[in-house]
Amino acid sequence: DARVTQTPRHKVTEMGQEVTMRCQPILGHNTVFWYRQTMMQGLELLAYFRNRAPLDDSGMPKDRFSAEMPDATLATLKIQPSEPRDSAVYFCASGPQGAREAFFGQGTRLTVV
Amino acid sequence: GENVEQHPSTLSVQEGDSAVIKCTYSDSASNYFPWYKQELGKGPQLIIDIRSNVGEKKDQRIAVTLNKTAKHFSLHITETQPEDSAVYFCAGGYQKVTFGTGTKLQVIP
Repeated sequence: DARVTQTPRHKVTEMGQEVTMRCQPILGHNTVFWYRQTMMQGLELLAYFRNRAPLDDSGMPKDRFSAEMPDATLATLKIQPSEPRDSAVYFCASGPQGAREAFFGQGTRLTVV
Repeated sequence: GENVEQHPSTLSVQEGDSAVIKCTYSDSASNYFPWYKQELGKGPQLIIDIRSNVGEKKDQRIAVTLNKTAKHFSLHITETQPEDSAVYFCAGGYQKVTFGTGTKLQVIP
Protein backbone atom coordinates (compact mmCIF):
# COMPACT_ATOMS: atom_id res chain seq x y z
CA ASP A 1 0.00 0.00 0.00
CA ALA A 2 1.85 3.09 -1.27
CA ARG A 3 1.89 5.99 1.15
CA VAL A 4 3.84 9.08 2.11
CA THR A 5 5.90 8.43 5.23
CA GLN A 6 6.81 11.21 7.62
CA THR A 7 9.15 11.07 10.60
CA PRO A 8 9.00 11.81 13.42
CA ARG A 9 5.25 11.73 14.08
CA HIS A 10 5.64 13.89 17.16
CA LYS A 11 8.41 16.24 18.24
CA VAL A 12 8.70 18.40 21.35
CA THR A 13 11.65 20.73 21.45
CA GLU A 14 12.86 23.79 23.27
CA MET A 15 12.89 27.21 21.69
CA GLY A 16 16.12 27.83 19.82
CA GLN A 17 16.76 24.20 18.96
CA GLU A 18 17.08 22.88 15.42
CA VAL A 19 14.27 20.68 14.14
CA THR A 20 14.45 18.41 11.11
CA MET A 21 11.38 16.71 9.67
CA ARG A 22 11.69 14.00 7.05
CA CYS A 23 9.43 12.75 4.32
CA GLN A 24 9.58 9.76 2.02
CA PRO A 25 7.31 10.42 -0.97
CA ILE A 26 5.43 7.67 -2.74
CA LEU A 27 7.81 5.80 -5.04
CA GLY A 28 7.67 7.25 -8.53
CA HIS A 29 6.07 10.54 -7.52
CA ASN A 30 8.04 13.54 -8.74
CA THR A 31 6.27 16.39 -6.93
CA VAL A 32 6.66 17.01 -3.19
CA PHE A 33 4.81 19.58 -1.10
CA TRP A 34 5.32 20.81 2.46
CA TYR A 35 2.27 22.19 4.27
CA ARG A 36 1.75 23.57 7.76
CA GLN A 37 -1.59 23.25 9.56
CA THR A 38 -2.67 25.39 12.52
CA MET A 39 -6.06 26.26 13.95
CA MET A 40 -5.57 29.92 13.17
CA GLN A 41 -4.11 29.74 9.65
CA GLY A 42 -5.44 26.44 8.40
CA LEU A 43 -3.43 24.59 5.74
CA GLU A 44 -0.63 26.72 4.30
CA LEU A 45 1.74 25.73 1.52
CA LEU A 46 5.32 26.26 2.61
CA ALA A 47 7.22 24.92 -0.40
CA TYR A 48 7.07 22.46 -3.25
CA PHE A 49 9.51 20.60 -5.44
CA ARG A 50 9.30 18.96 -8.83
CA ASN A 51 11.96 16.49 -9.90
CA ARG A 52 13.86 17.50 -6.73
CA ALA A 53 14.10 21.16 -7.81
CA PRO A 54 12.42 23.80 -5.63
CA LEU A 55 9.64 25.49 -7.60
CA ASP A 56 8.11 27.71 -4.96
CA ASP A 57 9.07 28.40 -1.37
CA SER A 58 7.31 31.74 -1.05
CA GLY A 59 5.23 30.48 1.86
CA MET A 60 8.25 29.68 3.97
CA PRO A 61 9.94 32.08 6.44
CA LYS A 62 13.34 32.22 4.78
CA ASP A 63 15.34 33.27 7.79
CA ARG A 64 14.72 30.09 9.77
CA PHE A 65 13.13 27.50 7.46
CA SER A 66 14.83 25.48 4.75
CA ALA A 67 13.57 22.65 2.56
CA GLU A 68 15.65 20.25 0.49
CA MET A 69 15.44 17.02 -1.46
CA PRO A 70 18.79 15.26 -1.13
CA ASP A 71 17.45 12.48 -3.38
CA ALA A 72 14.18 11.34 -4.94
CA THR A 73 13.23 9.30 -1.88
CA LEU A 74 13.83 11.92 0.80
CA ALA A 75 12.57 15.44 1.45
CA THR A 76 13.55 17.42 4.54
CA LEU A 77 12.17 20.50 6.25
CA LYS A 78 14.44 22.16 8.75
CA ILE A 79 13.75 24.92 11.26
CA GLN A 80 16.71 26.67 12.88
CA PRO A 81 16.23 28.20 15.39
CA SER A 82 12.75 27.03 16.31
CA GLU A 83 10.25 29.34 18.01
CA PRO A 84 6.99 28.67 19.89
CA ARG A 85 4.98 30.11 16.96
CA ASP A 86 6.33 27.26 14.79
CA SER A 87 4.19 24.81 16.79
CA ALA A 88 1.91 23.15 14.24
CA VAL A 89 1.34 19.96 12.29
CA TYR A 90 3.62 19.77 9.26
CA PHE A 91 2.45 17.68 6.34
CA CYS A 92 4.35 16.37 3.40
CA ALA A 93 2.44 15.39 0.27
CA SER A 94 3.57 13.89 -3.02
CA GLY A 95 2.10 13.80 -6.48
CA PRO A 96 2.63 11.69 -9.61
CA GLN A 97 4.27 13.04 -12.74
CA GLY A 98 1.89 14.76 -15.11
CA ALA A 99 -0.97 14.75 -12.62
CA ARG A 100 -2.32 17.32 -10.20
CA GLU A 101 -3.25 15.04 -7.29
CA ALA A 102 -1.42 15.31 -3.97
CA PHE A 103 -1.31 12.50 -1.43
CA PHE A 104 -0.61 13.48 2.16
CA GLY A 105 1.41 11.80 4.86
CA GLN A 106 0.27 11.49 8.47
CA GLY A 107 2.08 14.64 9.52
CA THR A 108 4.63 15.65 12.15
CA ARG A 109 3.13 17.36 15.19
CA LEU A 110 5.73 19.88 16.36
CA THR A 111 5.57 21.55 19.75
CA VAL A 112 8.14 24.23 20.58
CA VAL A 113 8.24 25.17 24.26
CA GLY B 1 -2.77 35.07 -5.14
CA GLU B 2 -5.75 32.77 -4.93
CA ASN B 3 -8.27 33.15 -2.10
CA VAL B 4 -10.63 30.27 -1.36
CA GLU B 5 -13.59 30.71 0.98
CA GLN B 6 -15.55 27.78 2.35
CA HIS B 7 -18.97 27.51 4.00
CA PRO B 8 -20.32 26.38 6.37
CA SER B 9 -17.64 25.89 9.00
CA THR B 10 -19.74 23.22 10.73
CA LEU B 11 -22.54 21.03 9.42
CA SER B 12 -24.68 18.47 11.21
CA VAL B 13 -26.94 16.12 9.27
CA GLN B 14 -28.97 13.05 10.08
CA GLU B 15 -27.69 9.76 8.73
CA GLY B 16 -29.13 9.21 5.27
CA ASP B 17 -29.57 12.90 4.51
CA SER B 18 -27.46 14.87 2.05
CA ALA B 19 -24.68 17.30 2.90
CA VAL B 20 -23.55 20.23 0.76
CA ILE B 21 -20.38 22.27 1.22
CA LYS B 22 -19.75 25.37 -0.86
CA CYS B 23 -16.59 27.19 -1.85
CA THR B 24 -15.73 30.28 -3.84
CA TYR B 25 -12.43 31.27 -5.41
CA SER B 26 -11.00 34.54 -6.61
CA ASP B 27 -8.47 33.80 -9.36
CA SER B 28 -10.04 33.18 -12.76
CA ALA B 29 -6.83 31.40 -13.84
CA SER B 30 -7.47 28.58 -11.34
CA ASN B 31 -8.27 25.37 -13.15
CA TYR B 32 -7.95 22.56 -10.60
CA PHE B 33 -10.26 22.05 -7.60
CA PRO B 34 -9.63 19.08 -5.28
CA TRP B 35 -11.58 18.12 -2.18
CA TYR B 36 -9.99 16.51 0.84
CA LYS B 37 -11.34 14.65 3.86
CA GLN B 38 -9.37 14.81 7.09
CA GLU B 39 -10.06 12.52 10.00
CA LEU B 40 -8.76 13.23 13.48
CA GLY B 41 -5.03 12.70 13.77
CA LYS B 42 -4.58 11.94 10.07
CA GLY B 43 -3.46 13.76 6.98
CA PRO B 44 -5.95 15.09 4.41
CA GLN B 45 -7.14 12.43 1.98
CA LEU B 46 -8.03 13.35 -1.59
CA ILE B 47 -11.61 12.20 -2.22
CA ILE B 48 -12.49 13.82 -5.53
CA ASP B 49 -11.28 16.59 -7.82
CA ILE B 50 -12.57 18.56 -10.77
CA ARG B 51 -10.90 20.48 -13.54
CA SER B 52 -12.17 23.68 -15.09
CA ASN B 53 -13.14 22.03 -18.37
CA VAL B 54 -15.79 19.97 -16.56
CA GLY B 55 -18.95 21.22 -14.86
CA GLU B 56 -19.75 18.17 -12.75
CA LYS B 57 -18.14 14.95 -11.61
CA LYS B 58 -19.60 12.09 -9.61
CA ASP B 59 -18.09 9.16 -7.72
CA GLN B 60 -20.64 6.95 -5.97
CA ARG B 61 -22.19 9.07 -3.19
CA ILE B 62 -19.96 12.08 -3.81
CA ALA B 63 -20.41 14.70 -6.50
CA VAL B 64 -18.72 18.01 -7.22
CA THR B 65 -19.99 20.88 -9.32
CA LEU B 66 -18.10 23.83 -10.72
CA ASN B 67 -19.46 27.15 -11.97
CA LYS B 68 -16.54 28.97 -13.60
CA THR B 69 -18.55 32.08 -14.34
CA ALA B 70 -19.54 32.58 -10.73
CA LYS B 71 -16.29 31.08 -9.38
CA HIS B 72 -18.23 28.67 -7.20
CA PHE B 73 -17.71 24.97 -6.59
CA SER B 74 -19.53 22.57 -4.30
CA LEU B 75 -19.28 19.13 -2.76
CA HIS B 76 -22.43 17.04 -2.42
CA ILE B 77 -22.54 13.89 -0.29
CA THR B 78 -25.71 11.83 -0.57
CA GLU B 79 -26.98 9.12 1.79
CA THR B 80 -24.57 10.22 4.49
CA GLN B 81 -23.14 7.64 6.87
CA PRO B 82 -21.50 8.07 10.31
CA GLU B 83 -18.11 7.31 8.74
CA ASP B 84 -18.51 10.44 6.60
CA SER B 85 -17.99 12.50 9.78
CA ALA B 86 -14.72 14.42 9.33
CA VAL B 87 -13.37 17.81 8.30
CA TYR B 88 -13.66 18.50 4.59
CA PHE B 89 -11.44 20.96 2.74
CA CYS B 90 -11.91 22.46 -0.68
CA ALA B 91 -8.93 23.81 -2.57
CA GLY B 92 -8.30 25.60 -5.83
CA GLY B 93 -5.49 26.89 -7.94
CA TYR B 94 -3.39 26.63 -11.04
CA GLN B 95 0.22 25.56 -10.42
CA LYS B 96 -0.40 25.20 -6.70
CA VAL B 97 -3.63 25.10 -4.71
CA THR B 98 -4.93 27.22 -1.85
CA PHE B 99 -7.06 25.49 0.77
CA GLY B 100 -10.34 26.63 2.24
CA THR B 101 -10.78 26.84 6.00
CA GLY B 102 -12.57 23.52 6.33
CA THR B 103 -16.05 22.23 7.19
CA LYS B 104 -16.54 19.94 10.15
CA LEU B 105 -19.26 17.49 9.13
CA GLN B 106 -21.07 15.50 11.77
CA VAL B 107 -23.40 12.73 10.68
CA ILE B 108 -25.81 11.85 13.46
CA PRO B 109 -26.83 8.16 13.55
